[in-house]
Amino acid sequence: KAGVTQTPRYLIKTRGQQVTLSCSPISGHRSVSWYQQTPGQGLQFLFEYFSETQRNKGNFPGRFSGRQFSNSRSEMNVSTLELGDSALYLCASSPGRTSGGDEQFFGPGTRLTVL
Amino acid sequence: SQQGEEDPQALSIQEGENATMNCSYKTSINNLQWYRQNSGRGLVHLILIRSNEREKHSGRLRVTLDTSKKSSSLLITASRAADTASYFCATGSDTGNQFYFGTGTSLTVIP
Repeated sequence: KAGVTQTPRYLIKTRGQQVTLSCSPISGHRSVSWYQQTPGQGLQFLFEYFSETQRNKGNFPGRFSGRQFSNSRSEMNVSTLELGDSALYLCASSPGRTSGGDEQFFGPGTRLTVL
Repeated sequence: SQQGEEDPQALSIQEGENATMNCSYKTSINNLQWYRQNSGRGLVHLILIRSNEREKHSGRLRVTLDTSKKSSSLLITASRAADTASYFCATGSDTGNQFYFGTGTSLTVIP
């Protein structure tokens, strides 16, 4: 099976712009989670989508949003970018079989730099 | 915060030695997972242990879980240079794939 793919791998934006990141999960996986990783805050949970519905949400402002399509692919959008949004954004897919958490398979990440 | 904490933050050992890292967390959990991350790359899942399990093995990895102390440990035996990476624990609740990651242990294995 192909692994989790994320596009683009690298992105440079300026403050105030918006950005959309894409994640294609492993075939057959229905859950996609997004994480932000920064040196200062570590890995922080953004949200999880399961069967096109947001199932869980972390403590991020409304500028961070996402969606999931019927083929389980997911997009994450950040509007009005701030310098502090510079981070590695990781997507993880899992089967979504259990309500109590599955093994997650991570993509390589998108490195976002905000200037 | 529900975020876990790994201890130590950094660990440097000689190849062939064992490496032990610990994770503490604050809330009740459904399961706990350990991941490895090589510099600036995606995370690789190592092992999942459920709250009703006390110990789990996978190859050179041994994970223990003590829910009364809200702590877990990861033991890597006979370490190799290729084990050099950051190791994270992540705790999962009953509400799906919402995981809280610890701050990570940076392991350096010296050949």
